[in-house]
Parts: sequence; C-alpha cells; structure tokens
Amino acid sequence: AQSVTQPDIHITVSEGASLELRCNYSYGATPYLFWYVQSPGQGLQLLLKYFSGDTLVQGIKGFEAEFKRSQSSFNLRKPSVHWSDAAEYFCAVGATRYSSASKIIFGSGTRLSIRP
Amino acid sequence: DAGVTQSPTHLIKTRGQHVTLRCSPISGHKSVSWYQQVLGQGPQFIFQYYEKEERGRGNFPDRFSARQFPNYSSELNVNALLLGDSALYLCASSTTGVSYEQYFGPGTRLTVT
Repeated sequence: AQSVTQPDIHITVSEGASLELRCNYSYGATPYLFWYVQSPGQGLQLLLKYFSGDTLVQGIKGFEAEFKRSQSSFNLRKPSVHWSDAAEYFCAVGATRYSSASKIIFGSGTRLSIRP
Repeated sequence: DAGVTQSPTHLIKTRGQHVTLRCSPISGHKSVSWYQQVLGQGPQFIFQYYEKEERGRGNFPDRFSARQFPNYSSELNVNALLLGDSALYLCASSTTGVSYEQYFGPGTRLTVT
C-alpha cells in the first residue's frame, strides 16, 4: 500500500539557519510527490511538486526538494529560514496506478518552529 | 480570481445529527475532492468528483456522501455524526479528474459534541 512517512513530528530551528525536513514514501511505481505547507487555521498551499525529470525541484518561498529513488525519499530544504516559515509541513504522494481518482496521500506532518 | 471557497467556516453539531458542507471550486475547474484532517494528522482522502460523477472514494463509512452540481460546486454530507467526525474538512479543486494540481480551500472546522 502507498504510504508517506515524516519521521520528525516537531523541529525547531533558529532564524537564518538551514532547514531539512525528511520524507520517505512507499509506492510501487514512479510517484508524483508534493510538499504542502499549512499555517494555523489555514488550508494547504502547494510548495513544490515532482512528476518527472530533474530530481532537484524548486518551489515557492525559496524551498527546494530532492527526489532520491534509491532511498525512497523526497526531503524538503531551505538554506535560510524566516520566522514566517513557522507552520506545519506535509509531504504527500499522488496515487495514480492504484486509483482512478487523483488521490493524494499525505504524511502526518512536521511542525516547524522558528527560534528568534 | 477567487480561490476555492468553503462554507461554513466553523460548525458545531451534536452526535447523531446530520451536516452538509459546501465547496465552490476555482472558476474553470471541473473536479472537486474532499479530505478530512483530524487534529494532529495529515489530510485523508474522502471523495473525488469530476463532471458530476464520483471518481474515487476513500476508506470512509457510508455515512459520508457527496455530490457535485452542474456548476461544479459540491456538497459533502455526513449522517449520524460521531465524536470522531470532528475535524477540518478540506475541499480541493482541479481542472480535470486526473490532475494533481489541486488547490485547497481554507476548510470547514466541524466540532461534534
């Protein structure tokens, strides 16, 4: 079955420091991969997506992610975080082969706190 | 352009009652998906509708139902509410039934007491 694992429930980094959020997926084919951000009380905003091609994907707000097939990982990175980056981050996989629907399977999320 | 809109924003219901949540997709989008997000968890897929037909259903009981109207707006209905149905219900729209370019609304916060 398809699944997404985000091993870090909560991460705190200092403002200006670099960030890496981990994501591992389980899927039987080439996956469609996503990172979403959710601020308190808000809906989900798409940060970036990987469908095919270059394994290093650039997104909005200065985020990037790298797809590593051998490790089944899609980690999110940012070289320098800002206080406004504090939010919940969700890694997700699009389930295509096993569903007629455009079903997105989400991880449990990583809450990012920023230390002033 | 307006994004995905959902109503109401918040809702409080009692166990056993019925609830209807509404979603209006982005103009030009023909597919609507519904997700349930329980506090502390990631969203879980409930339904997808495309051109008024159900394209997929997640692992939810038959108490959950939905429909899509000719203007592509959608309703999610939940009967016989349980305490465990308390969650943020998210609607997402996309241009087609196979698109993963899904845009999420702000959600409806349902509390069941």
